[in-house]
Amino acid sequence: GNSVTQMEGPVTLSEEAFLTINCTYTATGYPSLFWYVQYPGEGLQLLLKATKADDKGSNKGFEATYRKETTSFHLEKGSVQVSDSAVYFCALPRDTGFQKLVFGTGTRLLVSP
Amino acid sequence: KAGVTQTPRYLIKTRGQQVTLSCSPISGHRSVSWYQQTPGQGLQFLFEYFSETQRNKGNFPGRFSGRQFSNSRSEMNVSTLELGDSALYLCASSLRGGLYEQYFGPGTRLTVT
Repeated sequence: GNSVTQMEGPVTLSEEAFLTINCTYTATGYPSLFWYVQYPGEGLQLLLKATKADDKGSNKGFEATYRKETTSFHLEKGSVQVSDSAVYFCALPRDTGFQKLVFGTGTRLLVSP
Repeated sequence: KAGVTQTPRYLIKTRGQQVTLSCSPISGHRSVSWYQQTPGQGLQFLFEYFSETQRNKGNFPGRFSGRQFSNSRSEMNVSTLELGDSALYLCASSLRGGLYEQYFGPGTRLTVT
């Protein structure tokens, strides 16, 4: 089945710094790709998604581009805020067309004022 | 539209007991998936239900079971609890499963002593 590899954390940044969290995948075909965010004490929230190659997903200032050449879906934000402190998960379906999501190990982001 | 709700939010049980967790999906959603989140194993898929039928199953022992009712609400049951079952159990709903994105609930934090 499909799999995903995500950079280890924690990532520690100062407010207004540029953020990149790396995610690479192995997949059959071109499945949808997702970034989820988990704030302390909460469940997962869908942050953004891309459904086909070269798609760019964006939300709340975060962006990620589905790059089939490098099998990557890196998460970026130009200027992070303290409120962005959370754990970020890259994910994709394990098999085409099914709901069984495979998640990366998660990357904790800590933003200081 | 109300989000995915899970009850209870917190639960403490003793080894050997059994537990039932409940999940109410977003209105109109017919697919419900369950995930286990632990620090050591990360997020792991348990099973998915669609129209009262289990459609996908992860690699968990038979002590973990679930069901879905005609109103799409789902329950997950764990029998003969072990210390290693301590985790955050997340439920996610989707319109129809397949390529439709999932929306997660806040989770049930289960502690086994």
